[in-house]
Amino acid sequence: NAGVMQNPRHLVRRRGQEARLRCSPMKGHSHVYWYRQLPEEGLKFMVYLQKENIIDESGMPKERFSAEFPKEGPSILRIQQVVRGDSAAYFCASSPRTANTEAFFGQGTRLTVV
Amino acid sequence: AQTVTQSQPEMSVQEAETVTLSCTYDTSESDYYLFWYKQPPSRQMILVIRQEAYKQQNATENRFSVNFQKAAKSFSLKISDSQLGDAAMYFCAYRSVDQGAQKLVFGQGTRLTINP
Repeated sequence: NAGVMQNPRHLVRRRGQEARLRCSPMKGHSHVYWYRQLPEEGLKFMVYLQKENIIDESGMPKERFSAEFPKEGPSILRIQQVVRGDSAAYFCASSPRTANTEAFFGQGTRLTVV
Repeated sequence: AQTVTQSQPEMSVQEAETVTLSCTYDTSESDYYLFWYKQPPSRQMILVIRQEAYKQQNATENRFSVNFQKAAKSFSLKISDSQLGDAAMYFCAYRSVDQGAQKLVFGQGTRLTINP
């Protein structure tokens, strides 16, 4: 059973471009969470999704950021018009349908905005 | 809102010795989960140990154990017989049992160095 897969591992974007980060949850997991880790800091919650639904987006910046988890395919975190402050590691985690279990993390995508 | 505080940005220990990492948290909930995660240089977040607040017994996983003091809202991690592979960032995290609140709240992390 493959773990949570995130791609790309590293992404470089120029200011003003769009960044698309992908997360394929573990097989059988229908809950996906996105976290952001700034350098030398802990992970900060961004958004919690179930298939085709956003459950909690209280940690998402109001502008430029969006997330989806379609019926088919990976979850996507999209950042439009990136700025230098968006440079961070973005982690995805997934958990099974029974929500009160551990979430398993992917290896993260390191976004660098130049 | 819940908060998690790790007051030790860095810790170091001699190989084979024991080290304790501190974590305190703030919540008004009576039931919740607490976790310690390890993040090595590879960036992978690895679950080390988990504690359910309603369980009084401290969780143990091989060389890793916790000291859970619910009244004091303290959740420290003890690593016994430290090994070079234990070197990493360690994060304490809190999660509500509320079905609609699955997000983890992380502390700032403690960087653990193992001296050979």
